[in-house]
Amino acid sequence: KQEVTQIPAALSVPEGENLVLNCSFTDSAIYNLQWFRQDPGKGLTSLLLIQSSQREQTSGRLNASLDKSSGRSTLYIAASQPGDSATYLCAIPTSGTYKYIFGTGTRLKVLA
Amino acid sequence: AAGVIQSPRHLIKEKRETATLKCYPISRHDTVYWYQQGPGQDPQFLISFYEKMQSDKGSIPDRFSAQQFSDYHSELNMSSLELGDSALYFCASSLVTDTQYFGPGTRLTVL
Repeated sequence: KQEVTQIPAALSVPEGENLVLNCSFTDSAIYNLQWFRQDPGKGLTSLLLIQSSQREQTSGRLNASLDKSSGRSTLYIAASQPGDSATYLCAIPTSGTYKYIFGTGTRLKVLA
Repeated sequence: AAGVIQSPRHLIKEKRETATLKCYPISRHDTVYWYQQGPGQDPQFLISFYEKMQSDKGSIPDRFSAQQFSDYHSELNMSSLELGDSALYFCASSLVTDTQYFGPGTRLTVL
């Protein structure tokens, strides 16, 4: 059974720092991995999707990498801003019906 | 292109009442997923439909039922509501094995 964990659970940094958020999974036979952002009480905003054949994806200040063999994905946020404050979730579809298993989330706070 | 639409966006119900949540998938998407996110928790899978047939089931209470209609929209029916059912309910749609696109969610509050 796929299990997805995220470290750290919470992170507070000053503005301008480069950040690394980690997502670990137990079953390396994944189809893809998706990173989401969620503001308090709000919906899920898709940030990046990495297919199993890819090693990384980039969008603006965000870069996500995938290492299936070690069961890890990393979300790198460059030059963090207060507007980046949110919870970041990774999610992996299961084999068969592709329902998503979500990670435990990292709650990020960027201080001005 | 229009995204996944969920209605209502907010719903307040009393204990033991019934609620119906609706999800309208992206055009031509044939698969719908429902997730429940309790306060401070990550989203948990409830149930999914492919081509109007139930394709998978998670930890969905027997008090909940769902279906997908001929126009591919889906409804989640929740009866005998309990305080613990208060949560954000997300619907997502996809084309079979492709990326899931999430709706904005319905916030259900049970008083």
